[in-house]
Amino acid sequence: DVKVTQSSRYLVKRTGEKVFLECVQDMDHENMFWYRQDPGLGLRLIYFSYDVKMKEKGDIPEGYSVSREKKERFSLILESASTNQTSMYLCASVSGREKLFFGSGTQLSVL
Amino acid sequence: DQQVKQNSPSLSVQEGRISILNCDYTNSMFDYFLWYKKYPAEGPTFLISISSIKDKNEDGRFTVFLNKSAKHLSLHIVPSQPGDSAVYFCAARGDRYTGTASKLTFGTGTRLQVTL
Repeated sequence: DVKVTQSSRYLVKRTGEKVFLECVQDMDHENMFWYRQDPGLGLRLIYFSYDVKMKEKGDIPEGYSVSREKKERFSLILESASTNQTSMYLCASVSGREKLFFGSGTQLSVL
Repeated sequence: DQQVKQNSPSLSVQEGRISILNCDYTNSMFDYFLWYKKYPAEGPTFLISISSIKDKNEDGRFTVFLNKSAKHLSLHIVPSQPGDSAVYFCAARGDRYTGTASKLTFGTGTRLQVTL
């Protein structure tokens, strides 16, 4: 089975802190994604990457950046966390046009 | 602009009855549709999918119907069980001629509660 692992289940950070969310997949997938889930808004795409060192903005990239130095690892960075970035963050990966596999999510609270 | 819409935020169904979850989309370039199920504090898990060349796909208790002319799909769960209580997201993907064809656009979700 595909395994997508997110490094933290719960994080509490302060406004202005730099936050790193890490995601690792074990199936050699080319494509990796970061979504956030908010009540009433569904899953919204922040950034995605279709190859090492390649990235593209999703629908809501403002306030975020990403890094993909190795194929299996995709990091989401909040340069200066704000309270409106409190959310559930979900990483996913896929090979080609198959279904996405999601990690368990990171619930981030910014105080 | 919400390209994939789930207009019912919640649905309550009795155990053993049919659950019908609906989804509408606006982008005619979508050619593949998926349903995901999500429990609290867990990541979404894939449930069932359908290609635009079909109008129905069945997997056990789950059936997805696609009406391309109406840009509408629905998920039927028969019979509903208490373990089906979760949030259900529909998602859509562009065809291979759309850039970044593996990208999924999700709806806002419908919370299904199956009561005893």
